[in-house]
Amino acid sequence: AQTIHQWPVAEIKAVGSPLSLGCTIKGKSSPNLYWYWQATGGTLQQLFYSITVGQVESVVQLNLSASRPKDDQFILSTEKLLLSHSGFYLCAWSLGTGGHEQYFGPGTRLTVL
Amino acid sequence: QEKVQQSPESLIVPEGAMVSLNCSFSDSASQSIWWYQQHPGKGPKALISIFSNGNKKEGRLTVYLNRASLHVSLHIKDSQPSDSAVYLCAVNQGGSAKLIFGEGTKLTVSS
Repeated sequence: AQTIHQWPVAEIKAVGSPLSLGCTIKGKSSPNLYWYWQATGGTLQQLFYSITVGQVESVVQLNLSASRPKDDQFILSTEKLLLSHSGFYLCAWSLGTGGHEQYFGPGTRLTVL
Repeated sequence: QEKVQQSPESLIVPEGAMVSLNCSFSDSASQSIWWYQQHPGKGPKALISIFSNGNKKEGRLTVYLNRASLHVSLHIKDSQPSDSAVYLCAVNQGGSAKLIFGEGTKLTVSS
């Protein structure tokens, strides 16, 4: 069975500090990977997607970057956090694009103070 | 850019009621449309999807798609308190990896 793990579960960070969030998918080779962000009470927005190792496409510009260093790992980061980065970050995977179901992880709650 | 709008914003129904949720989208070239369920503090979980005009039934769920009017609806029969959650409509853009979500409808089923 496939499992998706996100770390950390929650973070409280200061404005201007760096950030790194991680996501690992086990039990599925070469999945499509996605990062999403949801402000409190806001709409779920797709930030990045990756079809293959080393390739990441940006969907929404939020002064964040993403990398896929391994087939089963997706990293979201920034050098300098803004207050507006607070929210719920979700990683997801799918077997392909288009009509394929996306499976979401448990999420990371980020609070920027 | 595809726009997805959902209505109503929130809904409170008694247990056993039929629930109807609406979603409109802007791009007629959109491919599959998905409905996800999200409980507070959790990741969304896919419930049902539709690609072709018409309807699709799975258990207590029925989804209707009308591409001409750019409208899709989700109907939940015999609603249960465990159905209380936020329901998200998501539209896939032209077979790409992009998935655009609506703002969601918060459903509360009272026992």
